[in-house]
Amino acid sequence: KAGVTQTPRYLIKTRGQQVTLSCSPISGHRSVSWYQQTPGQGLQFLFEYFSETQRNKGNFPGRFSGRQFSNSRSEMNVSTLELGDSALYLCASSLRRSWETQYFGPGTRLLVL
Amino acid sequence: KQEVTQIPAALSVPEGENLVLNCSFTDSAIYNLQWFRQDPGKGLTSLLLIQSSQREQTSGRLNASLDKSSGRSTLYIAASQPGDSATYLCAVKLWLGTYKYIFGTGTRLKVLA
Repeated sequence: KAGVTQTPRYLIKTRGQQVTLSCSPISGHRSVSWYQQTPGQGLQFLFEYFSETQRNKGNFPGRFSGRQFSNSRSEMNVSTLELGDSALYLCASSLRRSWETQYFGPGTRLLVL
Repeated sequence: KQEVTQIPAALSVPEGENLVLNCSFTDSAIYNLQWFRQDPGKGLTSLLLIQSSQREQTSGRLNASLDKSSGRSTLYIAASQPGDSATYLCAVKLWLGTYKYIFGTGTRLKVLA
């Protein structure tokens, strides 16, 4: 069974631009969670989607948003990029909800110049 | 506020040594605790999941223990190998109006051949 895939793997943007990241969960998994990882703050939870609805949200500004499609694939969008948004963005899928074992993708590394 | 601390931040050992990684959390009302491994620039791989009612879990050369009353978990790696070199993260799942994961900052392990 294929694992969690994320595209693109690497991305370079400039301040003020917006970016969309994509995550395809393991087949049959219905929950997708997004995390931001930086050297200073470590791994921080962004949000969780289940059945196309946001179920849970971390403490991030409204510039960070996401959605989930009927096939459970999820996208995360960051608008008006700031230098501090440079990070590794990880998504994780689980069978039903995020409190079950989560399986992580390889991440998208975003660099904002 | 739940905080998760991992000590040491970095560790370098010769191949073959048995070693212990520590994870401390401030709020004992956790749902479960999970240990992950992260290779450089990669996503997270789940190693062991301990439910709050359990004391330990074992998988191969890995053994994780949980002591909720003292707010501590340890990951024991037997007969370390160079392939064990990675960053090890612990994460606690707890109820904060909804379930959330709080990650530790990790221990960067290097096993020397």
